[in-house]
Amino acid sequence: GQSLEQPSEVTAVEGAIVQINCTYQTSGFYGLSWYQQHDGGAPTFLSYNALDGLEETGRFSSFLSRSDSYGYLLLQELQMKDSASYFCAAASSGNTGKLIFGQGTTLQVKP
Amino acid sequence: NAGVTQTPKFRVLKTGQSMTLLCAQDMNHEYMYWYRQDPGMGLRLIHYSVGEGTTAKGEVPDGYNVSRLKKQNFLLGLESAAPSQTSVYFCASSYGGTSNQPQHFGDGTRLSIL
Repeated sequence: GQSLEQPSEVTAVEGAIVQINCTYQTSGFYGLSWYQQHDGGAPTFLSYNALDGLEETGRFSSFLSRSDSYGYLLLQELQMKDSASYFCAAASSGNTGKLIFGQGTTLQVKP
Repeated sequence: NAGVTQTPKFRVLKTGQSMTLLCAQDMNHEYMYWYRQDPGMGLRLIHYSVGEGTTAKGEVPDGYNVSRLKKQNFLLGLESAAPSQTSVYFCASSYGGTSNQPQHFGDGTRLSIL
């Protein structure tokens, strides 16, 4: 089967750094994306990795290791507004846009 | 900037009733998707479309039908609603189908089947 595994919950304090891991098992793999969702609202795109290595976008960075079928999202200088659910999603096709989502990690940022 | 608009936002149905969820995007995107999200779970793809007039099945298509008669609209139909279809439904669109294309989501439709 196809699946993505990520921790269900993570807690961190304001100003800290947190890493959300994602391991995947898919029949085809073209890249790993990360989405943020506040309080059940519209998911919003954060980051994408197709190749091994680190991609940095402001306070957020995402890493991929294709050989380990593993990626992570790194959030630095945590702010209260970062409290949300974070989903990793694997692209299982190169031309249909189909994504397989993980179950999501709920991040709680405490003062 | 409307982006992706879903109608209605909330709906309560009785088992066996039918309804159509509407998704409209104003970004001239080619690809559109319907997902469902259940408590504590990620999004699961129901159906998708790679262009006007095309539709294809996703992970969980049973009990749903879709149509893409116009490029900007993607309709999701429930012919005979069942309690198992109680969920939050999200529509998304993307400019292309390559894996690097971000998907833009609507605010969701919260559907309860009694």
